[in-house]
Amino acid sequence: EVQLVESGGGLVQPGRSLRLSCTTSGFTFGDYAVNWFRQAPGKGLEWVGFIRSKANGGTTENAASLKGRFIISRDDSKTIAYLQINSLKTDDTAIYYCARDPDIPAAGIHYFDFWGQGTLVTVSS
Amino acid sequence: DIQMTQSPSSLSASVGDRVTITCRASQSIDIYLNWYLQKPGKAPKLLIYAAYNLQSGVPSRISGSGSGTDFTLTISSLQPEDFATYYCQQSYRTPFTFGPGTKVEIK
Repeated sequence: EVQLVESGGGLVQPGRSLRLSCTTSGFTFGDYAVNWFRQAPGKGLEWVGFIRSKANGGTTENAASLKGRFIISRDDSKTIAYLQINSLKTDDTAIYYCARDPDIPAAGIHYFDFWGQGTLVTVSS
Repeated sequence: DIQMTQSPSSLSASVGDRVTITCRASQSIDIYLNWYLQKPGKAPKLLIYAAYNLQSGVPSRISGSGSGTDFTLTISSLQPEDFATYYCQQSYRTPFTFGPGTKVEIK
């Protein structure tokens, strides 16, 4: 069974940093890209960024609007992806989700077929 | 960034109704359009990828169509488990962007 489980969320003060984890099982982690999303309370979905599989270069892309504060990495040996958020702002308060992405370069197709349950990050003093 | 719009923003329908949701992109995105369903307190669930491909396990009463800038999600006979918010999302170019959602409510 494919599973993705986010962890690391919680209450954090503005200006601090936080690292979220996306722990996966049930599939060959190294064959997939991992995307991160967030959803502010009562709002829609926002793409944060993704990291490709090593076979596709292992590169990352992030939403430019987030101004480089978000760093995505992966550890294929542990089948975990990470989202580091620096200089947290109150606007970063949201549920953060990770999702699996087959990232098929030949077809240019990305879709997110399995998601974690999300982890809530609350930024407040 | 590619802007996505959806219409309607909400609708009320009865079990058994045919429901159509429209999604429009601010520029051509070929067929790189996915549809998701989200229920309160839950993660999104993939329904359709690349405009018309039904994700494994999704019932055949759900279908997608379109290309370029205009896309449609159709539920041929609404079931109780279909009441939720539906999002379209483009994967043509990063940043991957979502529509604002369409809430399907029980009439």
